[in-house]
Amino acid sequence: DTGVSQDPRHKITKRGQNVTFRCDPISEHNRLYWYRQTLGQGPEFLTYFQNEAQLEKSRLLSDRFSAERPKGSFSTLEIQRTEQGDSAMYLCASSLNRDHEQFFGPGTRLTVL
Amino acid sequence: KNEVEQSPQNLTAQEGEFITINCSYSVGISALHWLQQHPGGGIVSLFMLSSGKKKHGRLIATINIQEKHSSLHITASHPRDSAVYICAARSNTGNQFYFGTGTSLTVIP
Repeated sequence: DTGVSQDPRHKITKRGQNVTFRCDPISEHNRLYWYRQTLGQGPEFLTYFQNEAQLEKSRLLSDRFSAERPKGSFSTLEIQRTEQGDSAMYLCASSLNRDHEQFFGPGTRLTVL
Repeated sequence: KNEVEQSPQNLTAQEGEFITINCSYSVGISALHWLQQHPGGGIVSLFMLSSGKKKHGRLIATINIQEKHSSLHITASHPRDSAVYICAARSNTGNQFYFGTGTSLTVIP
């Protein structure tokens, strides 16, 4: 296993378009987290999954954002009707369970023009 | 006010110096993480601790639960330690993480 992977690594889109990102966690990791990071800031928590269940969502996750983890393995994060303020690095992390360290993916850098 | 505050924001040190980065938090936590982020975005987890002290190589992390404070120490710093170091606190009322804005460390040869 080579760690957490994310696809794509970079995405440029026009305002108003929908985008979808994918995260493949480390095998057998039950927890999967999504974060957003803007330049010069620390990551911000968006949401997390315990297996296929989405257990917590940040107030940052507006109605335009939706995340799924249908089979408890990979996860997708979709942003509808993108806005320029959505431009950021979107990071995924996974952990074996709640009390284990998180392993981060390389991130998907989104630019909304 | 952020739930997690780090200091300093920027730090420049000469190779070999002992470095301390501080993290204070205002929420109840179940664990605190120290992360390292290199240019290009890759994040590596350095420590996860809920009490006391942990050591890994030249890195030492301590936490004082009563004072709601944690420190990351780097002994015998090296230019390859240059990175952004981020403190992250996991809330004890859920599983939300609160992140500091990071400390940008530059170690000069």
